[in-house]
Amino acid sequence: NAGVTQTPKFRVLKTGQSMTLLCAQDMNHEYMYWYRQDPGMGLRLIHYSVGEGTTAKGEVPDGYNVSRLKKQNFLLGLESAAPSQTSVYFCASSYSGHKAYTGELFFGEGSRLTVL
Amino acid sequence: GENVEQHPSTLSVQEGDSAVIKCTYSDSASNYFPWYKQELGKGPQLIIDIRSNVGEKKDQRIAVTLNKTAKHFSLHITETQPEDSAVYFCAATKAAGNKLTFGGGTRVLVKP
Repeated sequence: NAGVTQTPKFRVLKTGQSMTLLCAQDMNHEYMYWYRQDPGMGLRLIHYSVGEGTTAKGEVPDGYNVSRLKKQNFLLGLESAAPSQTSVYFCASSYSGHKAYTGELFFGEGSRLTVL
Repeated sequence: GENVEQHPSTLSVQEGDSAVIKCTYSDSASNYFPWYKQELGKGPQLIIDIRSNVGEKKDQRIAVTLNKTAKHFSLHITETQPEDSAVYFCAATKAAGNKLTFGGGTRVLVKP
């Protein structure tokens, strides 16, 4: 059982380049999230999805786009990368069932992105 | 929206001593407060959580307390061990499953 898998784990981009981070989960979770982690600022929510085909903005959505075409996958795109987007990105998922629901987020191991 | 402040940002303790991390939140409607532990090179993992109808919860060497009136909650780790060295995050939300707002994190170093 792989849990939440992120690819790639490391990437270096030049300013203006585009890229996509892929998140895949095998736990049949409804909810998926993209966070960025910066020193001293904790984890800030970029975008999230409450189900296949749905997306919503989080706390810091500017400069990012997302898509949830399949329940198990959540893609984060940077159309024109900027140095301010240098960060560690974490994908997470959670179950939204009824009685079994605990609210726990399951995180991937992170993707370190550097924009030069 | 919700704002969560976490202190201290770094904490160094001697093995066997206790560690305490404190968080305050701004939204009085928040009622679910989880704590996550992040080991080096890994994603955060839930270690304990508390809901607003409970004042304290304990799980072996870790405990969490909640003061709704003062809008603050704390993580207590007793008899610290080297494997407790990690970054700890508190978080708050109005309902489990909604968007979590995280604190800035506390880097804990347990010295042998």
